Amino acid sequence: GEEVAQTPKHLVRGEGQKAKLYCAPIKGHSYVFWYQQVLKNEFKFLISFQNENVFDETGMPKERFSAKCLPNSPCSLEIQATKLEDSAVYFCASSQFGDELAKNIQYFGAGTRLSVL
Amino acid sequence: GNSVTQMEGPVTLSEEAFLTINCTYTATGYPSLFWYVQYPGEGLQLLLKATKADDKGSNKGFEATYRKETTSFHLEKGSVQVSDSAVYFCALSDGNNRLAFGKGNQVVVIP
Repeated sequence: GEEVAQTPKHLVRGEGQKAKLYCAPIKGHSYVFWYQQVLKNEFKFLISFQNENVFDETGMPKERFSAKCLPNSPCSLEIQATKLEDSAVYFCASSQFGDELAKNIQYFGAGTRLSVL
Repeated sequence: GNSVTQMEGPVTLSEEAFLTINCTYTATGYPSLFWYVQYPGEGLQLLLKATKADDKGSNKGFEATYRKETTSFHLEKGSVQVSDSAVYFCALSDGNNRLAFGKGNQVVVIP
């Protein structure tokens, strides 16, 4: 598609429940990124993929968080046993393959707002 | 590590006023620099970018120049409109294509 599509728009979970978020990147883009926006404005990088391979996972919490990008499926971010502090807006972005990674523009989806009660 | 600093606090100004939002960065190597804008309830949209020193990014009347000597990328617009009300984020991209964001500035333009 022409834009990054994230579903669902809103997700409400009780503490301890599982949450799964989805992201369809722009067609033809090789890289997918997940970011967490907390405290209204602060963005934190979580993980990136090059096609279906993990490219950079230095921002992923070691426990409870996992992510996948499988061929012919939307990418997913899963949080096992959610905690109150996981409440945030989770953004997905995608970018094209390029020789110089730092120059690539990332195109963002509208985000999924996760509320853990 | 890489980081971006934006000036604290919201910015409130009248229509047609001059807007400046300061952004400074700390990075190893030669990052690319970006300004993204977030309208209420929406995702981030790229406003402009610069990929090397002295480059000037511009779009929709907004400009920012990549200043390596002062490690800055300040955003400016000569005459703001009510429709420019949004949150503005400065960001840098490192060699891993990972974005580091500033904390954002809420801009409110009053008619």
